[in-house]
Amino acid sequence: DAGITQSPRHKVTETGTPVTLRCHQTENHRYMYWYRQDPGHGLRLIHYSYGVKDTDKGEVSDGYSVSRSKTEDFLLTLESATSSQTSVYFCAISADLYTEAFFGQGTRLTVV
Amino acid sequence: KQEVTQIPAALSVPEGENLVLNCSFTDSAIYNLQWFRQDPGKGLTSLLLIQSSQREQTSGRLNASLDKSSGRSTLYIAASQPGDSATYLCAVRPANQAGTALIFGKGTTLSVSS
Repeated sequence: DAGITQSPRHKVTETGTPVTLRCHQTENHRYMYWYRQDPGHGLRLIHYSYGVKDTDKGEVSDGYSVSRSKTEDFLLTLESATSSQTSVYFCAISADLYTEAFFGQGTRLTVV
Repeated sequence: KQEVTQIPAALSVPEGENLVLNCSFTDSAIYNLQWFRQDPGKGLTSLLLIQSSQREQTSGRLNASLDKSSGRSTLYIAASQPGDSATYLCAVRPANQAGTALIFGKGTTLSVSS
């Protein structure tokens, strides 16, 4: 299995609080992605990174920010959590555009 | 904008049956297509990756085909087993849009009964 660790695995937080999710990889892959998975919507891209300090927005980026200061870590921050951000968040990595993407085990976030 | 569709959304079969899962995509400009498996409450496990220049890939009882010009892929599962019960996701990596992140279909949930 690809070395991807997401933390925390589960979190309950209150509306209006900031939350940071961490994705850590040991594969030295260039590309890293954050997705959210919701019933009826499937997997949707939030943000992605194509190198250290190189990030861009995905389909559902409003209310989220990211940072990548090291190759191995990609952080997703919910600036002020809302109930609509209750979801399962997945991190993915890939070495380049021609190789497999691998996914972490996910973080289940509940905003109350 | 690339869109990926998977049909059917759910499928129930008896053990031992051969089955086909379908995936279609709207833009043929892709680098590759990847099939995943997801068990309830778990992450995604990569099953097969097909490059845009390839027609098919095989792994054990799984065979995936790709017809890029028609925007279609199929995942063939031979001699299905109860352990194959899961949601199967198809994803394409587009070649003509920024980011080139995988775009997913909503999946086919497979149930194999013993």
